[in-house]
Amino acid sequence: DSGVTQTPKHLITATGQRVTLRCSPRSGDLSVYWYQQSLDQGLQFLIQYYNGEERAKGNILERFSAQQFPDLHSELNLSSLELGDSALYFCASSPRGGGGPKETQYFGPGTRLLVL
Amino acid sequence: AQTVTQSQPEMSVQEAETVTLSCTYDTSESDYYLFWYKQPPSRQMILVIRQEAYKQQNATENRFSVNFQKAAKSFSLKISDSQLGDAAMYFCAHSGNTPLVFGKGTRLSVIA
Repeated sequence: DSGVTQTPKHLITATGQRVTLRCSPRSGDLSVYWYQQSLDQGLQFLIQYYNGEERAKGNILERFSAQQFPDLHSELNLSSLELGDSALYFCASSPRGGGGPKETQYFGPGTRLLVL
Repeated sequence: AQTVTQSQPEMSVQEAETVTLSCTYDTSESDYYLFWYKQPPSRQMILVIRQEAYKQQNATENRFSVNFQKAAKSFSLKISDSQLGDAAMYFCAHSGNTPLVFGKGTRLSVIA
């Protein structure tokens, strides 16, 4: 158990809908990262937040957005869902202040999203 | 941009034997970390081992060790005394000034 929690574990929804994935980092970790794992694209970095502020952005679609709250949990919002958004979405957290990407990242169990 | 290449989509090993998974990377940074993550059928991403680029000594964690060749940009993972529980996807990853960049993974099967 990495100490990172993600809810829900599974999500089934229809095209065009909007969903919210939630992540709680390890106690004391200030940085949260979101990744997408799909069969065709592999594991891709989406976005990083550090202490409430966006720190780095990867291959995140405009239909997707995220935020980190004062209690440091994070939410990833996916809207206007398409079939191709079906994937495993991971949250990871890292410990130190500064949110440096060279820190070790600890992964949550993931949320499996299926868009029908 | 950083890239990570794992040239072996699949590998197999006999139980109790040793196997080496290959990884090469490309980066323009001088300060970076390299990781191996394991993803068993549960799909959880589990950190196996970490190597800081500034350290010449190869990292070791119990039965897992790496061969880090900085000049060659090579970072292989050796698993000794393989166990059935080692069967999983293994991902090599680079982290520098950008968050983790992953290779496409190597699926390891362990034969009893």
